[in-house]
Amino acid sequence: DAGITQSPRHKVTETGTPVTLRCHQTENHRYMYWYRQDPGHGLRLIHYSYGVKDTDKGEVSDGYSVSRSKTEDFLLTLESATSSQTSVYFCAIRRTSGGTNTGELFFGEGSRLTVL
Amino acid sequence: AQSVTQLGSHVSVSEGALVLLRCNYSSSVPPYLFWYVQYPNQGLQLLLKYTSAATLVKGINGFEAEFKKSETSFHLTKPSAHMSDAAEYFCAVSEGGANNLFFGTGTRLTVIP
Repeated sequence: DAGITQSPRHKVTETGTPVTLRCHQTENHRYMYWYRQDPGHGLRLIHYSYGVKDTDKGEVSDGYSVSRSKTEDFLLTLESATSSQTSVYFCAIRRTSGGTNTGELFFGEGSRLTVL
Repeated sequence: AQSVTQLGSHVSVSEGALVLLRCNYSSSVPPYLFWYVQYPNQGLQLLLKYTSAATLVKGINGFEAEFKKSETSFHLTKPSAHMSDAAEYFCAVSEGGANNLFFGTGTRLTVIP
């Protein structure tokens, strides 16, 4: 258990509506990530954060924004949802071991979003 | 640039048979390599990782993988498949010290009784 909670776990919305997904961690890790998972594409990085108010884009960031006002929370927002954003969204954190970046990520349980 | 290729989107094996899931990577610097497993409706769980120590890496549930630099491969194996191994498996690469992982497209393993 990596202490990651995603909410909501399931959401159905309509095209054009805003959607916010929340990732909450209990272990005070600096790095947090949002990925989307689609059949035939594996997982692709949307955005990541390396500290409070410090974020950067991933390979599929168009149509998404993020915010991190507290260490424990990383929010993903779809300003105007489209059907192409129907996906399963995973939050992840990166742990270090004794201050060393060992590279692996630990994932939440996922949030399934359907845009009609 | 980093990338991962997983050969075969679906693999079927009989219970008790050898499991071999293939992963090839590209990286401009020595990579960190990972295998993750995903059971239905769950997140990804780390199976094992290579971070430039021993080239043969042992993971959980009897899986292991061998880093072969000359072949740019990191194939996942298990000597004897169990029904509980049925899942989707993802290979991932990170250039050492980089901020994120790049994932392959996944291989779904089916175990036939």
